Amino acid sequence: QSVLTQPPSASGTTGQRVTISCSGTRSNIGRNTVSWYQHLPGTAPKLLIYRNNQRPSGVPDRFSGSTSGTSASLAISGLQSEDEADYSCAIWDDSLDGYVFGTGTKVTVL
Amino acid sequence: QVQLQESGPGLVKASETLSLSCTVSGGSISSYYWSWIRQPPGKGLEWIGYISYSGDSKYNRALKSRVTMSVDTSNKDVSLKLSSVTAADTAAYFCASSARIRDSSGWSIYFEYWGQGTLVTVSS
Repeated sequence: QSVLTQPPSASGTTGQRVTISCSGTRSNIGRNTVSWYQHLPGTAPKLLIYRNNQRPSGVPDRFSGSTSGTSASLAISGLQSEDEADYSCAIWDDSLDGYVFGTGTKVTVL
Repeated sequence: QVQLQESGPGLVKASETLSLSCTVSGGSISSYYWSWIRQPPGKGLEWIGYISYSGDSKYNRALKSRVTMSVDTSNKDVSLKLSSVTAADTAAYFCASSARIRDSSGWSIYFEYWGQGTLVTVSS
């Protein structure tokens, strides 16, 4: 059971905006920075967002991250079919003295 | 660009030790911390631990008693050993480069480069 809670699923039609939440605690979000990963079955996860809202080179600006208090969000604007994947938040947890991943959200493009 | 390749047995017997290797190319092994992460079938990602080229390491508390990581800087190889495996250790295992920064924003740890992963099945 993860200390980072995400909704199990989210969906939208092509072109819509989808937001995924990541609920944490005072020992992780708000104390350290969040990263987000996209992963497809059988492939390596891909870093989408680091340090709460920074995008690595090559990640489209349709992906954006934000935090507020002990929660974080990943927004996908202009949803595309290739965005259909699993998304996980992740962060260092001071109480656990370890790194934790969120429960994961499966995004479906309708 | 950093490239990572995991290798090791795809089948391990219960109670034995799982041993995996991650070969680093295209970058300096001293530039990052190196993490192992796994994903059991149908479940989410789980961080196993990280290690630096100098041996500085941290493991997931839930696995700490069974995990050993090491770095061979001459061969640019990072290894994972997980002892006394059970069916619950069946997973895809990934190695990843870990940026590790501490500043006014707290700890920023994230995984920029990943290997393709290797599936390890624990058999009874």
